[in-house]
Amino acid sequence: KAGVTQTPRYLIKTRGQQVTLSCSPISGHRSVSWYQQTPGQGLQFLFEYFSETQRNKGNFPGRFSGRQFSNSRSEMNVSTLELGDSALYLCASSVDRAYQETQYFGPGTRLLVL
Amino acid sequence: AQSVTQLDSQVPVFEEAPVELRCNYSSSVSVYLFWYVQYPNQGLQLLLKYLSGSTLVKGINGFEAEFNKSQTSFHLRKPSVHISDTAEYFCAVSDISGNEKLTFGTGTRLTIIP
Repeated sequence: KAGVTQTPRYLIKTRGQQVTLSCSPISGHRSVSWYQQTPGQGLQFLFEYFSETQRNKGNFPGRFSGRQFSNSRSEMNVSTLELGDSALYLCASSVDRAYQETQYFGPGTRLLVL
Repeated sequence: AQSVTQLDSQVPVFEEAPVELRCNYSSSVSVYLFWYVQYPNQGLQLLLKYLSGSTLVKGINGFEAEFNKSQTSFHLRKPSVHISDTAEYFCAVSDISGNEKLTFGTGTRLTIIP
């Protein structure tokens, strides 16, 4: 079974631009979560989607948004990029919305904002 | 809300020596506990998790952790480390109320000295 895939793997943008990142969960997984990883703030939860609905959201500004499609694939969008948005963005999937389920992480998208 | 403290940001250990990575958590409700490993330029991989039952949990790659409720700790141990264990290790918690969000510690970088 294929793992969680994220595209693109690397991205360079300039301030003010917007970016869309994609995540394809493991087949059969319906929950997708997004995390931001930076050296200063560590791993922080962005949001979680289940069956096309956002169920949980972290403490990020409204510039960060996401969605989930009927095939469970998810995208996250960051508008009006700031230098501080440079980070590794990780996507994780799990079978169901049960909280004790193991989350499987993708390799991440490394975003650099210049 | 929960928080996780990993007191050691870096731990150097000689090859074949034992290691303990410390994790303490704070929460007003019962939690589930996880240890993840991140190899260079990769996503996170689950090492082990504690949901309930025996407080000693065995994971992959010879790692184990012990849940101590009175000390609110979940320390990770391995009796004999290998060069391949060089990575960053993250402790994480989620509350048992159904919130899918994982709260991570700041990570411990384990360096194996040959």
